[in-house]
Parts: sequence; structure tokens; C-alpha cells
Amino acid sequence: GESVGLHLPTLSVQEGDNSIINCAYSNSASDYFIWYKQESGKGPQFIIDIRSNMDKRQGQRVTVLLNKTVKHLSLQIAATQPGDSAVYFCAAPSGSARQLTFGSGTQLTVLP
Amino acid sequence: IAGITQAPTSQILAAGRRMTLRCTQDMRHNAMYWYRQDLGLGLRLIHYSNTAGTTGKGEVPDGYSVSRANTDDFPLTLASAVPSQTSVYFCASSPGGGSGTDTQYFGPGTRLTVL
Repeated sequence: GESVGLHLPTLSVQEGDNSIINCAYSNSASDYFIWYKQESGKGPQFIIDIRSNMDKRQGQRVTVLLNKTVKHLSLQIAATQPGDSAVYFCAAPSGSARQLTFGSGTQLTVLP
Repeated sequence: IAGITQAPTSQILAAGRRMTLRCTQDMRHNAMYWYRQDLGLGLRLIHYSNTAGTTGKGEVPDGYSVSRANTDDFPLTLASAVPSQTSVYFCASSPGGGSGTDTQYFGPGTRLTVL
């Protein structure tokens, strides 16, 4: 199966700086990855996804980078804002049923 | 407003009692899921349903049961609640057949405390 894990449980950044949240995965056959954002008291919200045939994908202020050689992906948030404060999860399908396995999450705190 | 609703928002339950958490989606999604979220453990899949009439076991199914009588509803039942089932429960749905490459949309969660 797949296991995904985030490198740091917490991350603090200054407002306006860029944030980088990292994630490692174990299954080299994994072909799809998703990043979710979870604000306090709410359910996870889809941010961006990437397939394994890509190295990089950009969205609005967010970029996901995938390094298949070292089985690592990162979420970059440009010009971090207070509204970006949340827990961020990476996830990947695993098992014969291809259900999502989530990492444990990184709490991002944006400092004024 | 389209989306997923869960009920109740929170519940305190005595151990041994039976409890059903409700989940309804109005997006006509084929697949639905139940997760529990505990501190330091992230989201763990309890049960899933790729389409109405079918269900499957996730990572932590013991003590829980589900049914999928129609497309919109996916209730989760705790037959006899135990304190270790204290958690926040999230329901989710995705458009396709649960292939793992569909975006999953989450409900607001149910906070359950079993005493």
C-alpha cells in the first residue's frame, strides 16, 4: 500500500513570504497526488492535484512540485496571507480499491 | 446550496449506545466515503461506497457499518459505541466511481464524544 507523510508538523511564516510544505510518499508506483487545506472546525478542501507524468503544476498562488526520484512532493504558496493559516494534507491513492491515504498534516501559521 | 451535509454537528454519547451519523450530498456523486480524524493521525478511511448499492471497508472499519440505499445518502452506524470511537467524523463524495483520482469533497464534520 501507500503511506504518505509530511516532514514538519508545524510551519510558521511571515505574511507576504512564500511557504513550502513538504510531503514524502512510499510507493514509487503512485500516479496521483492531492493537496488539501483544512481550516479550524471545517472539513478538508481541495487545493490542487498532480499526476505522476508531470513535475510541476500551478494554480492560483499555489504550485505543486513532484520529484519521483526521491518520492517527494511539495506545496508552495506564494505571498502567504493570514487566510492561508490551516492544516495542509497531502494524499495519494493506495490499495486495490485506490482509496486515498492522507498524511498527518502540517499546521501552517501566518505571522503578522 | 450544493454540497455535503452532515448531522448532527456534535454529539455526546454514552458507551454502549447505538448511533447513526447522517451524510447527504446533492451533487449526484457516485462515490461516498467516511473518515475519522484524530490528533496526530490525520484522516483515516472507515468505509466507502463506489456507487449506490455497494460498500467497501477502509483502513479502520471495525465497530462501524454503512449502507448506500441511494445515491444521495450514506449513513454511518456505530452499533455499540466505545470511548475509542471519540473522534471527528467526515463524510466525503467524489464524482466518479472511487478510482482515487477523483477530487473528494468533504462535509463539515460531526464531533462525537463517547463517554
